[in-house]
Amino acid sequence: DVKVTQSSRYLVKRTGEKVFLECVQDMDHENMFWYRQDPGLGLRLIYFSYDVKMKEKGDIPEGYSVSREKKERFSLILESASTNQTSMYLCASSSAAINSPLHFGNGTRLTVT
Amino acid sequence: GQQLNQSPQSMFIQEGEDVSMNCTSSSIFNTWLWYKQEPGEGPVLLIALYKAGELTSNGRLTAQFGITRKDSFLNISASIPSDVGIYFCAGVWAGTALIFGKGTTLSVSS
Repeated sequence: DVKVTQSSRYLVKRTGEKVFLECVQDMDHENMFWYRQDPGLGLRLIYFSYDVKMKEKGDIPEGYSVSREKKERFSLILESASTNQTSMYLCASSSAAINSPLHFGNGTRLTVT
Repeated sequence: GQQLNQSPQSMFIQEGEDVSMNCTSSSIFNTWLWYKQEPGEGPVLLIALYKAGELTSNGRLTAQFGITRKDSFLNISASIPSDVGIYFCAGVWAGTALIFGKGTTLSVSS
């Protein structure tokens, strides 16, 4: 089974802090994704990556950056956390096959105070 | 950007009832996926649809890829309490990234 592991289940950070959310997958998947999930808004794509050192903006990239230095690891970075970035963050991965389904981690619930 | 309209937003049903939910889009998708998310967990794939008109079952779940490629529905027959959760439709965009509907929250009373 595919395993996508997010390093923290819960995080509490202060406004202005730099925040790193880490995600690791063990299935040698080429594609990795970061979504945020908010009540009433569903899942919204922040960034995705289809190869090491490659990244593409999703629907809501503002205030975020990403890093993919190794194939198995995809990091989401909040350069200066703000309260409107309080959310559930979900990492996912998929193979390079066209239309391959995504496999999700269990999420990181981030609270910015 | 791309948008999926998923309905209903929530459902409250009795155990044993059948459930139907659907997704529509103004854009054509090549793949429709249905996920379920339980509290404290990430979404888990239920059914994947790859061809227009395709009808696929997974146990008590049945999903169809609309002929126009702009819609899909998911049916759950004879619901049970463990069906509780949020159900998301998703369309594949740009070959790799998914666009999700806002979810249907299902509550089942026994």
